[in-house]
Amino acid sequence: TQLLEQSPQFLSIQEGENLTVYCNSSSVFSSLQWYRQEPGEGPVLLVTVVTGGEVKKLKRLTFQFGDARKDSSLHITAAQPGDTGLYLCAGKLDGGGTSYGKLTFGQGTILTVHP
Amino acid sequence: GAGVSQSPSNKVTEKGKDVELRCDPISGHTALYWYRQSLGQGLEFLIYFQGNSAPDKSGLPSDRFSAERTGGSVSTLTIQRTQQEDSAVYLCASSPRRRVLNTGELFFGEGSRLTVL
Repeated sequence: TQLLEQSPQFLSIQEGENLTVYCNSSSVFSSLQWYRQEPGEGPVLLVTVVTGGEVKKLKRLTFQFGDARKDSSLHITAAQPGDTGLYLCAGKLDGGGTSYGKLTFGQGTILTVHP
Repeated sequence: GAGVSQSPSNKVTEKGKDVELRCDPISGHTALYWYRQSLGQGLEFLIYFQGNSAPDKSGLPSDRFSAERTGGSVSTLTIQRTQQEDSAVYLCASSPRRRVLNTGELFFGEGSRLTVL
């Protein structure tokens, strides 16, 4: 059972289109991050959200954390070919314990933006 | 360099052989993680080290997998008697203690791609 469900798994769009990637869970997270990964490289952090209802913008990217801190979305406006890559959401479970330092990752969304 | 360094970047081995993968974290980062990633997929947690505390080994898939971290810095992930299903990219990440306690952000290396023939 996947703790963080990410959708869609694949997304192929034309340059200039908008898109949204979703990350959902039945668990509460104390924080949630979005990473972007290009082939042959490790994931690179894009943003961290920590407050329910929080919205963060990074140029054409808008990130939202759900009010209940169980879900998040990534919206890209006017996608560019340079946005192509694997997008991963990752959450830090609320409550600490033995999993205190461990992030749980979604399955990832492979985005391809065609010129 | 200033980032997480992993070696080798690529490793091809025969089924049944042992392999060692190395990770050199960012200087001063007390937390170190190993994750495994299959082609185009999300990351599977393997093991987590934090300072001198006992490591969280809950993600290791079998007793063929082990990891150690010497002197609170460099870590080695060892896979014994490799199987074809062990083929994947093994990613190492580190984080400073204050990040671990707060938001859990990770800084990743470029990974070691393991192919078991």
